[in-house]
Amino acid sequence: GAGVSQSPSNKVTEKGKDVELRCDPISGHTALYWYRQSLGQGLEFLIYFQGNSAPDKSGLPSDRFSAERTGGSVSTLTIQRTQQEDSAVYLCASSLLGGYYGYTFGSGTRLTVV
Amino acid sequence: AQSVTQLDSQVPVFEEAPVELRCNYSSSVSVYLFWYVQYPNQGLQLLLKYLSGSTLVESINGFEAEFNKSQTSFHLRKPSVHISDTAEYFCAVVPGGGSEKLVFGKGTKLTVNP
Repeated sequence: GAGVSQSPSNKVTEKGKDVELRCDPISGHTALYWYRQSLGQGLEFLIYFQGNSAPDKSGLPSDRFSAERTGGSVSTLTIQRTQQEDSAVYLCASSLLGGYYGYTFGSGTRLTVV
Repeated sequence: AQSVTQLDSQVPVFEEAPVELRCNYSSSVSVYLFWYVQYPNQGLQLLLKYLSGSTLVESINGFEAEFNKSQTSFHLRKPSVHISDTAEYFCAVVPGGGSEKLVFGKGTKLTVNP
């Protein structure tokens, strides 16, 4: 597609429920990244996929968070047993050749845990 | 660990005034530096980047940033701002050394007043 597409744009969920956030990167981009943006905290790296390599999961805050990327394209970020502190905007980005040339970001999913 | 410091969380200025948004990074290896902009209720967009070569880089809308290796800085400047420049600005670095994920600062909110 023309840009990075994320869905849903907004998600309100009850504490304790599981949620899935979807990212559809730009066609042909081999690198895909997930970040979390919280008020006043900037952007926190979560996970990075590059081609067929093992993902860099070093930023996932707990084992409730997981992500997969199917067929080198679409990615899903799953948060299990959501907590109120998970409320944030979750941003996905993709890149043709990796971070050195910059990313293209999606518009994000705003997650609110009530 | 690599880090990025944006010294000002908020910068209010009047229209047509000059502005400088400060960014410092810590790194012992070569870096690649970026500024991203996030307009209200929008996703992040790449504003400009430094990969190599000339230390002064420019964007299409009048912003410029200068890479200063001795001061480990990459400050963003514009000689005359417009109301439409009101946004949050994020400095980011790819630290090199094999890592391809962007490390972001916490952002500077620029508010341009009439």
